[in-house]
Amino acid sequence: AQKITQTQPGMFVQEKEAVTLDCTYDTSDPSYGLFWYKQPSSGEMIFLIYQGSYDQQNATEGRYSLNFQKARKSANLVISASQLGDSAMYFCAMRGLSGGSYIPTFGRGTSLIVHP
Amino acid sequence: GAVVSQHPSWVICKSGTSVKIECRSLDFQATTMFWYRQFPKQSLMLMATSNEGSKATYEQGVEKDKFLINHASLTLSTLTVTSAHPEDSSFYICSAPWTGTSGNTIYFGEGSWLTVV
Repeated sequence: AQKITQTQPGMFVQEKEAVTLDCTYDTSDPSYGLFWYKQPSSGEMIFLIYQGSYDQQNATEGRYSLNFQKARKSANLVISASQLGDSAMYFCAMRGLSGGSYIPTFGRGTSLIVHP
Repeated sequence: GAVVSQHPSWVICKSGTSVKIECRSLDFQATTMFWYRQFPKQSLMLMATSNEGSKATYEQGVEKDKFLINHASLTLSTLTVTSAHPEDSSFYICSAPWTGTSGNTIYFGEGSWLTVV
């Protein structure tokens, strides 16, 4: 079975500062993908960044970077230069082989509030 | 880029009626789509995996007869909530995995807010 753990129910950060959202995972599948999504109050799920288990370098997308530490099974999201519009729920997800099929598994989410 | 479109975004229906939610992959083929339900301030709960041309695979505890899923084509999956009751009121969202030259991702529809009165 695969599992995603996000231990931070809520995080606060001041505008223009960097913030790290934690994510650890567990899987027995050697091939898997890790994702981060942003969900604003409107409900839509916005794809932020992807990291494959065999990728040698940490993924980056603009202000988002994924701190992938395979040995520790962690995939933390780093948001640099936070903006007020970054306030939202953030979900870490993994897609690996579970029960014979590739079903995405989501963490419980972290609520990020960016204040001026 | 790849886009998944979900319709309707908002729906209010009377108790006992059925409501259909559509999920379309707009510029890619999706042999698999996932349907989720989300309660306020909680994570996404996988309801079922929709498979094109075959029966959906439901998660444990999800009533197959109540939440009918049909994946009639490579670009369309539908979720029908039958005989809806107020406790079915929730946010429903679909997603489809996509693999392209720039990487992998799982794209989501915009989600549907269902209110049963």
